[in-house]
Amino acid sequence: EVQLVESGGGSVKTGGSLRLSCVASGLSFSNTWMTWVRQVPGKGLEWVGHIKRKVDGGTAVYAAAVKGRFTISRDDSENTLYLRMNRLKVEDTAVYYCTTQDRFAQWFGELFQYNYYMDVWGRGTTVTVSS
Amino acid sequence: QSVLSQPPSASGTPGQTVSISCSGDFSDIGADYVYWYQHLAGTAPKLLIYKSDQRPSGVPDRFSGSKSDTSASLAISGLRSEDAAYYYCAVWDARLSGWVFGGGTKLTVL
Repeated sequence: EVQLVESGGGSVKTGGSLRLSCVASGLSFSNTWMTWVRQVPGKGLEWVGHIKRKVDGGTAVYAAAVKGRFTISRDDSENTLYLRMNRLKVEDTAVYYCTTQDRFAQWFGELFQYNYYMDVWGRGTTVTVSS
Repeated sequence: QSVLSQPPSASGTPGQTVSISCSGDFSDIGADYVYWYQHLAGTAPKLLIYKSDQRPSGVPDRFSGSKSDTSASLAISGLRSEDAAYYYCAVWDARLSGWVFGGGTKLTVL
């Protein structure tokens, strides 16, 4: 069974930094794209960004709201995903979830592409930013 | 404000069928597959539907998804008390190069 456990949340002042961790088990972590999603209190879900597996380049993509302030990284030897958050704002207050990404192939004649989607989620870790 | 539009609430009695809609436009739902997630407060969100109408293993066939043009729908038949939760639709928006979610629908089982 795939399990994801987030940690590292807490309270911080605006402009501060925090690093979240997500430890994965029950899967081949190095072969898995991973995602961070957050939920602002009383609001819906918001995609933060995702990171590809190293064989696909290991690059990360970010939502506009966090680009330039947040950094997603991974340590495949530790089965751990990270979210480094700098220059935090009050509006970054949220529960942060990590998710795995699964994929399926979509064929276009003889060519195909992989479609990735958020699959298994953790229970989240809470970040509170105050002024 | 969410890119995808969902009704804020829905309700039904045990055994009934409830549908939750998700509306977008040609750049999101109209261009890609839709995914549905169930979320109970304090727990990990759970994938219910992928590729617009496919159920992961372990998801009961009471849950079904459909998509037409720029809208999608999640139907829950044989409603049960444990189905009371928030439901979110999501789609990859190539124009934004990111995932977008609906605002969520709170399902109440009366």
